[in-house]
Amino acid sequence: AQKITQTQPGMFVQEKEAVTLDCTYDTSDQSYGLFWYKQPSSGEMIFLIYQGSYDEQNATEGRYSLNFQKARKSANLVISASQLGDSAMYFCAMREFLTGANNLFFGTGTRLTVIP
Amino acid sequence: SQTIHQWPATLVQPVGSPLSLECTVEGTSNPNLYWYRQAAGRGLQLLFYSVGIGQISSEVPQNLSASRPQDRQFILSSKKLLLSDSGFYLCAWRPPGQNYEQYFGPGTRLTVT
Repeated sequence: AQKITQTQPGMFVQEKEAVTLDCTYDTSDQSYGLFWYKQPSSGEMIFLIYQGSYDEQNATEGRYSLNFQKARKSANLVISASQLGDSAMYFCAMREFLTGANNLFFGTGTRLTVIP
Repeated sequence: SQTIHQWPATLVQPVGSPLSLECTVEGTSNPNLYWYRQAAGRGLQLLFYSVGIGQISSEVPQNLSASRPQDRQFILSSKKLLLSDSGFYLCAWRPPGQNYEQYFGPGTRLTVT
């Protein structure tokens, strides 16, 4: 089974609008971390936000927030006030801390295009 | 501050030729180091990771190998490249004992012809 599932191959959003990128995960570990990375056309993977499985509050970093719903095993990324520079591939990833602690499992990504 | 370097940035190699990609990290000690490969339009696949000098773990059997000759140097190699080795190779590091994010290098785009 896939550890990380991103069901949206591509998304479009109007500049200055908010957008939600979906991510669901599969793990039997009680302790894990969820990450979102941005990959612009240059190829570099840029860390955006982290959510620990025991964190009670949803993580936020500037315009990025993570909508963490543990019971549903979802960790959607919300980008508010989209900017043209947000156009990129976005990857959701997970690390299981009790097993496979050295591996980040990545989803297949969502390509976000911000329309002016 | 910590920085991670990879070279070369791009590489075109014929099938059957050897490969050596280098990754170095500055500004930290005893990092965990990782090699990932990203096929076109796909997510990242972990190839190797290392928790210390000379300690290499392989996640996926293939014709690639990795070495860590120095604390902050991680090398990805192949004796004979295959067409299927084409892709984008990313090196990453993480502070030891920390469960948070990995930091990625700029990547090497490899095309095997």
